[in-house]
Amino acid sequence: QVQLQESGPGLVKPSETLSLTCAVSGYSISSGYYWGWIRQPPGKGLEWIGSIYHSGSTYYNPSLKSRVTISVDTSKNQFSLKLSSVTAADTAVYYCARVLDTAMVFDYWGQGTLVTVSS
Amino acid sequence: EIVMTQSPATLSVSPGERATLSCRASQSVSSNLAWYQQKPGQAPRLLIYGASTRATGIPARFSGSGSGTEFTLTISSLQSEDFAVYYCQQYNNWPPATFGQGTKLEIK
Repeated sequence: QVQLQESGPGLVKPSETLSLTCAVSGYSISSGYYWGWIRQPPGKGLEWIGSIYHSGSTYYNPSLKSRVTISVDTSKNQFSLKLSSVTAADTAVYYCARVLDTAMVFDYWGQGTLVTVSS
Repeated sequence: EIVMTQSPATLSVSPGERATLSCRASQSVSSNLAWYQQKPGQAPRLLIYGASTRATGIPARFSGSGSGTEFTLTISSLQSEDFAVYYCQQYNNWPPATFGQGTKLEIK
């Protein structure tokens, strides 16, 4: 059974960089699949942030591309998200997820972690 | 960017009855459409992809249909555990993959 678990600071100051890690168990990232990040502001809908292949190829949401970096560490079986220059609008629950085959559909999800941007 | 519009925003249905949720794309997404269910405090769960293929472990009372710009999720006989928020998502033209704003299915 594939399991994903997000970790990172729950509070980030405005203008700083949000950093989260997703640890994967039950499946080796180096074996394949894309892996992604999705976020959900409190009480609102879902927004795809970006995805990464085990080889390191990345795709980002154009609306966030200038501030986002997603990386993978196959030795630790985890992938990470960095979002720079955050504002209150970046306050959200951040989910990591596995992408189903080559279609950008998310079949396994982490439980999510709330990140609040506030001074 | 393809905009996904779901209707209605809230749907009130009695247990045991049928629920029909709609999703419209701003341009054709072929059959590259997925549906997710989200309960309070939980991550979304994949229900349907390819517009009509049920994901692993999803009960047969959930069915999806449509292609192009118009899609429907039908729950044939509502169980208590089905009351949740449902999102559609297109993955035909990405980046970005885009989600609808959600339909809240509530008990009537």
